[in-house]
Formats: sequence, C-alpha cells, structure tokens
Amino acid sequence: DTEVTQTPKHLVMGMTNKKSLKCEQHMGHRAMYWYKQKAKKPPELMFVYSYEKLSINESVPSRFSPECPNSSLLNLHLHALQPEDSALYLCASSLTTGQLNTEAFFGQGTRLTVV
Amino acid sequence: AQKVTQAQTEISVVEKEDVTLDCVYETRDTTYYLFWYKQPPSGELVFLIRRNSFDEQNEISGRYSWNFQKSTSSFNFTITASQVVDSAVYFCAPQSNFNKFYFGSGTKLNVKP
Repeated sequence: DTEVTQTPKHLVMGMTNKKSLKCEQHMGHRAMYWYKQKAKKPPELMFVYSYEKLSINESVPSRFSPECPNSSLLNLHLHALQPEDSALYLCASSLTTGQLNTEAFFGQGTRLTVV
Repeated sequence: AQKVTQAQTEISVVEKEDVTLDCVYETRDTTYYLFWYKQPPSGELVFLIRRNSFDEQNEISGRYSWNFQKSTSSFNFTITASQVVDSAVYFCAPQSNFNKFYFGSGTKLNVKP
C-alpha cells in the first residue's frame, strides 16, 4: 500500500466554521507533512511532523492547527479561516526526515473553499 | 540562500514528440538531492525521479531520461515519445534538511493527440 489518503476531497466552509482535514498512510512512514497550494502556484510547506512530534511550523497562522494522533494519522484543524485561505491542501509522508534521498508520497489533496 | 527556476511556464507538443523540461537550481550547498514531481489535474503529486549532487551521469528509465550538470546548476528532464497522459504540471523540487521540498514554479505540459 503506497497511498496517502486525504478526506474530504472537497470542503466548503464559512468563516466562522470549525472543520478538520484528515490524512492517513499505512506505509510505516514516520514523517508527515502539510502543504498548501494556491491555484497555478507550487505547493508551499506548512508543517512537518517527525515521529508524531511537530518539528517545523513555517510561520503558519494559528487558525491552522495540526495534530498527529499516531504515526498513521495527521489532521489539520481549521478555525476562523479567511477567503484567501481557499486552496488545495496536500498531505505527504516519507520514511523519515533524516535522509536526504527520501521521496515524499502525496495524497490527492482537499480542495478547500472558504466563503 | 537557494533558488530554483523553471523558466518554461507552459509547453505544448503533439503526441510522440520528445520534450525536455528545464530546471536551474542555485545553492551554496555541496550535498543535495533534486527531485521531479508530476501533478496531473487530479491534484496528487507523483514522484518521478531523484538525483544527487555528486552524480552527473545521464540516466534513462523507460520514456524518462534526465541530465544533471553541476557546473551550470541545470537539472533537465526529458520525456521521449510523449503521450496524452503525460499532460500535467511538472515540478522540479530540491530537497533540504528535514526532507523539506522547495518546489519550482512548475511547467505545464500539454500533449495534444
């Protein structure tokens, strides 16, 4: 199983809503990532988890709150988002963060629209 | 500081043509890896190839080949006999510590039947 599964695939939420994005992998990977991708732009790193601990936060606003309940799951909790947060949110995983030659496997993403 | 440049914004070819995607990576690091990822309309980023900074040999895998020249910081990727299914956005992605990928701006490839 070489898949990273993200749910939901599409999400529309109001600015006062609270929602969560979910990501799951069963490849035994110990590193997981959240990326944000605006239309016609490259993905931008948001968070890195290594062995279930947050190791990198790329100065992301606190209205995005990541959580890694176990080595297979990664959540992104959303609260009080703005319309400019509308984007494709991609989850990825890799074997570890410690080796430079390790590729990341990406999910299909959640297309988020904030209204 | 590091900079990755994909100067080709969009390329259109007819099926069965060969196409080369260009990437220039400027860095002071001496050890690094470069990756190419493909993003079809479905959104998922698909890993294609990787190359380390010490290996400048050309490589071929099926219809894909790649060439890395450290002296010019160029890491080019060629698709031979392109197919409609190759239509996607292709990202060059250098990798740094903590497995962080810095994606280039991407090249959109349109393969027409």
